[in-house]
Amino acid sequence: AQRVTQPEKLLSVFKGAPVELKCNYSYSGSPELFWYVQYSRQRLQLLLRHISRESIKGFTADLNKGETSFHLKKPFAQEEDSAMYYCALRGSGNTGKLIFGQGTTLQVKP
Amino acid sequence: NAGVTQTPKFQVLKTGQSMTLQCAQDMNHEYMSWYRQDPGMGLRLIHYSVGAGITDQGEVPNGYNVSRSTTEDFPLRLLSAAPSQTSVYFCATSGSSGANVLTFGAGSRLTVL
Repeated sequence: AQRVTQPEKLLSVFKGAPVELKCNYSYSGSPELFWYVQYSRQRLQLLLRHISRESIKGFTADLNKGETSFHLKKPFAQEEDSAMYYCALRGSGNTGKLIFGQGTTLQVKP
Repeated sequence: NAGVTQTPKFQVLKTGQSMTLQCAQDMNHEYMSWYRQDPGMGLRLIHYSVGAGITDQGEVPNGYNVSRSTTEDFPLRLLSAAPSQTSVYFCATSGSSGANVLTFGAGSRLTVL
């Protein structure tokens, strides 16, 4: 079964601390994974995807097929990083169907 | 260029009432989908469409109907609302060149009493 698990509902850190938002997936085949973010009073938007292997707003995520994980990391959290973060997995086919995790709220305290 | 427009933003219904959530896009995207967002459940796919005239069920389709008569519009119908359908609903679109990069609407918050 295709599934995405984000074990933490809430992650609270202080400004300048490292951040790691966990994501584990279950998928038989070659996975394609994404992180989407929803800032307060803004729309859900793509943060990054593993095929791009890029850093966005200081965040990176590496696909670990052995551990079936795609954790999102940032070395130094900023207050503006506070948001809801969703890990997502491409569903069957390539038609815009994504399977989302439960979401993790990141709270960065001053 | 409005992107993805959802209406209404807020709605309160009584159990058994029907209503339609509207989704319109002006990006000429082929793929459109409806998700519901519930605390602790994340986003779950209700229905999706790969083009005009083609729709299919997602993970939680029961109680919802969709149709796609044009590329631009993808309405979601609740035939007989139930309290379990209280949620925030998101419409999302994507094009064939970036099928999994979704553009989301602002969301519609529905309360069923």
